[in-house]
Amino acid sequence: NAGVMQNPRHLVRRRGQEARLRCSPMKGHSHVYWYRQLPEEGLKFMVYLQKENIIDESGMPKERFSAEFPKEGPSILRIQQVVRGDSAAYFCASSPAKGGRGKQFFGPGTRLTVL
Amino acid sequence: GQQLNQSPQSMFIQEGEDVSMNCTSSSIFNTWLWYKQDPGEGPVLLIALYKAGELTSNGRLTAQFGITRKDSFLNISASIPSDVGIYFCAVLEANAGGTSYGKLTFGQGTILTVHP
Repeated sequence: NAGVMQNPRHLVRRRGQEARLRCSPMKGHSHVYWYRQLPEEGLKFMVYLQKENIIDESGMPKERFSAEFPKEGPSILRIQQVVRGDSAAYFCASSPAKGGRGKQFFGPGTRLTVL
Repeated sequence: GQQLNQSPQSMFIQEGEDVSMNCTSSSIFNTWLWYKQDPGEGPVLLIALYKAGELTSNGRLTAQFGITRKDSFLNISASIPSDVGIYFCAVLEANAGGTSYGKLTFGQGTILTVHP
């Protein structure tokens, strides 16, 4: 009964490096969402993907950030040329259907630290 | 973007006490949710509300969807130490056609501390 899996749990990068965050949704779920949480703040929506499609990327920064959810394999959130302001917890969630009626199941998150 | 105002920001209570927190919005939403986040973990869904005026319970937790569809509250009765954590309200946003498409907007959270 594996839930949403994210790896790595912790990631340290130096400014200018690339960060790749992976998310495997719950079994049977084909919809994936990425959120970012800054310290002592709520979660902020970034992107919503279905297999091989980006449904809504209205919360993604215009530059350096990209996301994909290929036909096979996990969803990937990629941050190029990281800066200190990218330090945050990144959460992935999944649902079995579009929107999931809000019932999104969250992974444990990846905590990114940019030195 | 949409803003949810969640209060209080933090609460310090004694074990056994009841707790109440609420969330308001300037816009109408058709789905309200309450999540709990433990330190170092992702949020866990507690209660989902889909109908204005609806009152839903999950064990010692009770949540209500305001009749105006612009607010919700969460009550926890007889608190225990494991209730410690951050509680978030969230709404499911809809697109221009009124169809929900999966974007959750979260409040800032209420930090709950329970003293044994």
